[in-house]
Parts: sequence; C-alpha cells; structure tokens
Amino acid sequence: ILNVEQSPQSLHVQEGDSTNFTCSFPSSNFYALHWYRWETAKSPEALFVMTLNGDEKKKGRISATLNTKEGYSYLYIKGSQPEDSATYLCASQGAQKLVFGQGTRLTINP
Amino acid sequence: EAQVTQNPRYLITVTGKKLTVTCSQNMNHEYMSWYRQDPGLGLRQIYYSMNVEVTDKGDVPEGYKVSRKEKRNFPLILESPSPNQTSLYFCASSFFPSYEQYFGPGTRLTVT
Repeated sequence: ILNVEQSPQSLHVQEGDSTNFTCSFPSSNFYALHWYRWETAKSPEALFVMTLNGDEKKKGRISATLNTKEGYSYLYIKGSQPEDSATYLCASQGAQKLVFGQGTRLTINP
Repeated sequence: EAQVTQNPRYLITVTGKKLTVTCSQNMNHEYMSWYRQDPGLGLRQIYYSMNVEVTDKGDVPEGYKVSRKEKRNFPLILESPSPNQTSLYFCASSFFPSYEQYFGPGTRLTVT
C-alpha cells in the first residue's frame, strides 16, 4: 500500500492570512497527484490533478505545486476566507489505484 | 446535470443481512471506484473498475464485492455485513484514474 502523508492534520488560520500544507507520497510508480476539497456534509470536490515534476496549478486564491522526484506537493491558500474552511485531501495515483492521505482540516477564524 | 448518484444515503442494518449500495453516473466515465471513510483513516479505496466487466481490488476489499455489467452502474455488495463495515461510503467516477474524480453524495452505513 502506498503511504500518503499529509501535514499538518489540522490548522487554524486567521481570516486574511495565507497558509500552506503538505502532501508527501512515494515517488516510485507515480502517475498523478490529486487535491480535493471536502466540506462537512458534502462530497469531496476536485481542485487539481498534476502529473509532471514542477507542475504548478492555480484556481483563484488556491494554488499547488508538485515535486515528483522527492515526493511532495504543497497546497497554498492566499488571503484565507471563512468559506475556505474544509478538509483538504491529497491522493497519489499509482497505475490504476488512488491512495488518499488523511487530510488537513483547515478552520478559518473570522 | 452531470452527477454521480448513490442509494441509499443512509442505512442501518443487522449483522449478516446482505445489502447492496447502488452507484450510477451519467457522464459516460470509464473509471469508477468505491471508497470508505473512517475517522482518522481518510478515504480508502475498496474496489475500482476500469470499464465494463473489468474490476480490481483496492486497498481494503475484504468483505465486499462489486460488479460492472453496464458502464454507468457500479454497485457495492456486502454479502454478510459486520459491525466493522460501519462507515461512510463514497462512489466516484472519472474518464481515467489520472483525471479528476467526481464523487457521489455518500452512503452512511451502520451495521449492528
């Protein structure tokens, strides 16, 4: 089983501050790295899927980077807003399987 | 509207009583999978399917069966449910595993 680790497990951030968190994954047999946003009582929704070393993707105030050689990805949120409160999941894809990390639970304090 | 549907959304059952959770998608996706979510453990893949009649085990397949007779449907079968299968279950679909996954609304299962 691939071991995908996310840190920190939880994070409290003041509204307006920027933040980032990490996903680490085995660099062997790597196909793609996924990021999902999961709000309470809803379903996970895709943010990004990245495949190439050095990939950077951006959606509004959220961006992500990928380093496949060392096996990590960062998710950045700029100028946090209360609606950013959610659990952020990463998943590493090896061949046909996806392995998810435990998630980072982000709470934005107004 | 493009969507993944699951039924039932909530189910309380007893040990040993066979049940099926249905999953259907209307996006013509090839890849479908089932996950369970337990506190502190994240989403764990149970089974996945690359296409009709092509299924394979994920990381936690014990106690579950699946079938893919039609492209749009991917039911999850628990032949003899046990309390350790109490969990929140998600179905997901996409064109390929390296594309973004679309998740269903989830099924909360309690086995007593």
